[in-house]
Amino acid sequence: KNEVEQSPQNLTAQEGEFITINCSYSVGISALHWLQQHPGGGIVSLFMLSSGKKKHGRLIATINIQEKHSSLHITASHPRDSAVYICAVRSMGGTSYGKLTFGQGTILTVHP
Amino acid sequence: DAGITQSPRHKVTETGTPVTLRCHQTENHRYMYWYRQDPGHGLRLIHYSYGVKDTDKGEVSDGYSVSRSKTEDFLLTLESATSSQTSVYFCAISEGTSAMYEQYFGPGTRLTVT
Repeated sequence: KNEVEQSPQNLTAQEGEFITINCSYSVGISALHWLQQHPGGGIVSLFMLSSGKKKHGRLIATINIQEKHSSLHITASHPRDSAVYICAVRSMGGTSYGKLTFGQGTILTVHP
Repeated sequence: DAGITQSPRHKVTETGTPVTLRCHQTENHRYMYWYRQDPGHGLRLIHYSYGVKDTDKGEVSDGYSVSRSKTEDFLLTLESATSSQTSVYFCAISEGTSAMYEQYFGPGTRLTVT
């Protein structure tokens, strides 16, 4: 079983829909990251959070440390939101190099 | 955007040939990382560096070596490329290792070994 599991693996939506991507992890963490990767593109950090909720524009990320679960929400989705969304966790207790463990990603396609 | 570049961006090479990928940063960050990204596996750490001439192995280091002779450059070498090393390679940098520091990723290098 992977330490970081994302669901769904693939998600198709119509423009304007509310989207939720989930991330569950099995280890104690000090931080969780949400990353975005456009087709053929680089990887961009959307959020880094260790508790509660963060909002940036139409994107909202929440985390429940007790339940070891995080969600990424996109409100009023748009075709330009089509991308792979990746969850990554930084383990508590850590290592000397700031190890990140990554989920396999969720492929989001938003149709006009 | 963090100042990270990777070269080359695309490369096709034959099995058994040596290949070197370069990561260059202008941020003066101490930590640098090489990852590979493969379908079904997500991102996996190959090697990392915590300073000039200070490097160590990640989880998938077999067949790879690295060097860091300057703060700004981190080189990944495939001594004898194999088809299993066909992948997209990402470099990342970070100021520190605690939870307060983000990792910033380069644009990636797509390597095909035929």
